[in-house]
Amino acid sequence: GAGVSQSPSNKVTEKGKDVELRCDPISGHTALYWYRQRLGQGLEFLIYFQGNSAPDKSGLPSDRFSAERTGESVSTLTIQRTQQEDSAVYLCASSKVLLGTEAFFGQGTRLTVV
Amino acid sequence: GESVGLHLPTLSVQEGDNSIINCAYSNSASDYFIWYKQESGKGPQFIIDIRSNMDKRQGQRVTVLLNKTVKHLSLQIAATQPGDSAVYFCAETPGGSYIPTFGRGTSLIVHP
Repeated sequence: GAGVSQSPSNKVTEKGKDVELRCDPISGHTALYWYRQRLGQGLEFLIYFQGNSAPDKSGLPSDRFSAERTGESVSTLTIQRTQQEDSAVYLCASSKVLLGTEAFFGQGTRLTVV
Repeated sequence: GESVGLHLPTLSVQEGDNSIINCAYSNSASDYFIWYKQESGKGPQFIIDIRSNMDKRQGQRVTVLLNKTVKHLSLQIAATQPGDSAVYFCAETPGGSYIPTFGRGTSLIVHP
């Protein structure tokens, strides 16, 4: 596609429910990143993929968070048993290669846990 | 731990003025830096990047300066316009790391 696409753009969920956030990167981009941005704050790194592999999951806040990527394309970020502190904008970015190149961001998914 | 930070959280300028946004970094191993612009409700948008083998790079109305001696990065915007109002983030990628690390951000407000 022309850019990084994320869906849904907004998600309101009840505390304790599971949510799944989707990211469609730019075609041909092998690297994919997930970040979290709380209101008025900077970007907090969560996880990256090189192809379909996620070598480092240490950025995920808790074991309620997981992510996968298939076909070196779509990635999903899953949050189980959501908590109010999970409320944030979740941003996805992709880049041609993993190391030291420009990353293009999607518009994000605004998650609100009530 | 090492981090990227910004000196000023908010910068207000008049339309037509030049703006300078600063960023300090502490990881001397960082070798790639990017400035992003984030408008309200949108994802960060690439502005300009610079590698550590350079000390200056120019784009359209923007210039990035890198001072490795004092670990300082700046973004200069010439003839600032109301459309430049946004939060600006610097990001660094340490050599050997695959993860761009972002600073807290500076809010630029341009008054007509």
